[in-house]
Order: sequence, then structure tokens, then C-alpha cells
Amino acid sequence: GAVVSQHPSRVICKSGTSVKIECRSLDFQATTMFWYRQFPKQSLMLMATSNEGSKATYEQGVEKDKFLINHASLTLSTLTVTSAHPEDSSFYICSAREVGKGTDTQYFGPGTRLTVL
Amino acid sequence: AQKITQTQPGMFVQEKEAVTLDCTYDTSDPSYGLFWYKQPSSGEMIFLIYQGSYDQQNATEGRYSLNFQKARKSANLVISASQLGDSAMYFCAMREGKEYGNKLVFGAGTILRVKS
Repeated sequence: GAVVSQHPSRVICKSGTSVKIECRSLDFQATTMFWYRQFPKQSLMLMATSNEGSKATYEQGVEKDKFLINHASLTLSTLTVTSAHPEDSSFYICSAREVGKGTDTQYFGPGTRLTVL
Repeated sequence: AQKITQTQPGMFVQEKEAVTLDCTYDTSDPSYGLFWYKQPSSGEMIFLIYQGSYDQQNATEGRYSLNFQKARKSANLVISASQLGDSAMYFCAMREGKEYGNKLVFGAGTILRVKS
């Protein structure tokens, strides 16, 4: 299957700082990427849909000014958690949609564990 | 209403035996896709298998097969010849049509433990 990378894999930061997480599709172009958040022992919750060259579409209840998403190229989307607080501590995972050659599948990155002190 | 329901919070299976993980879904969209992902303790989400709503045959990928019962709206995952490395969380997910933004909706997951 296709490969999606995510960086960093783990980050610890102080309350009030901003953290940027990168999501890259390594061997395919992804016009659409998705950002999820996962709490321990829970399912994935979609935060936003990131479309290359346009504004992200946020799910209800997700603050777009707090979770800034940029999809500048067909292989890169970034999520910036601004002014992070302890309640933002979570596992953030991205996925990239591969379409073509009879396939339409989302492949996931390895995730980023964010801890805000 | 839940769009994806996984009724088994946890399952045990003996090594080398087969196991079925249940998934039911709810949609009025005639065009949809059903996915299964595996999430080991490391956190990565590993794509296992896909079934399209118009596919006539059940999907198979190695030891994984999807028992697609369209009338019952169920898409159970069957893992044959279980291995210790199959121990993980398993998520069923559905993607509806374009008007839903091609988003994946996930079930709550089932933790599978393979016993030696």
C-alpha cells in the first residue's frame, strides 16, 4: 500500500506554545488529506478535511483558529496547534486519500503523540 | 444514530483459529465503501481490506476476508489462521458519497487478543 509519513512522532511542549505537525504522502499525490484526533482507547474523531490549494473543511465543534491546517502541495499537509493547552494533549493522526488505478483508499500516517505540560 | 457499529469491545481467539469481527453500518447512500483497519499498540493505522457497495463478490486479502451482507448492512471481518501479531485494535469504517465529503466514519473498535 501507499506510504504516508508524519512528523514528529512525539512532541512535548509547554502550555501556550504552538506545535506544527507535518503529514506527507511519499509515493502518491493526495489532493485530499484528513486530520484525526484519538483519545486513549477511543475511536478516531475526524477534525478536518484538507484540500490542496483551498481552505480546510472543519468538523462541527473543531476550532479552526486553534487547529490551523495548510495543504500547500499535493504531498504535504500541516496541522498547527496554536496556543496549546493540556487538554489538547492527544494522539493526532493524518490520512491521505489515494485515488486512481481502481482504488480510492485512505492511508494513514503513524501518528503524533502530543503532550502539553 | 450510529453510522458504524462494532458490538464487540473485546475478543479472544486461540492462535491458528479463525475469528470474526462484527460490523454493521447505516446509510441511505447507494454508493459507499467499507474499510477495515488494524491499529497495533504503536498507534499506526494499517489498511486491511476494502469492499465497495456495488462489488458483487466479498473482498479478500490474504488471511483477511470481508463477509459483506448488503441486505443486513453488515461487513464482518474474518481473520483466518490467527497469529500472535494479529493482536491489536480493529476498526471498521465507512465512506459515503461525494456529498458527504468522502470522509471516513469509524466504529468504536474491537480489541482482539490472540492467545498462544
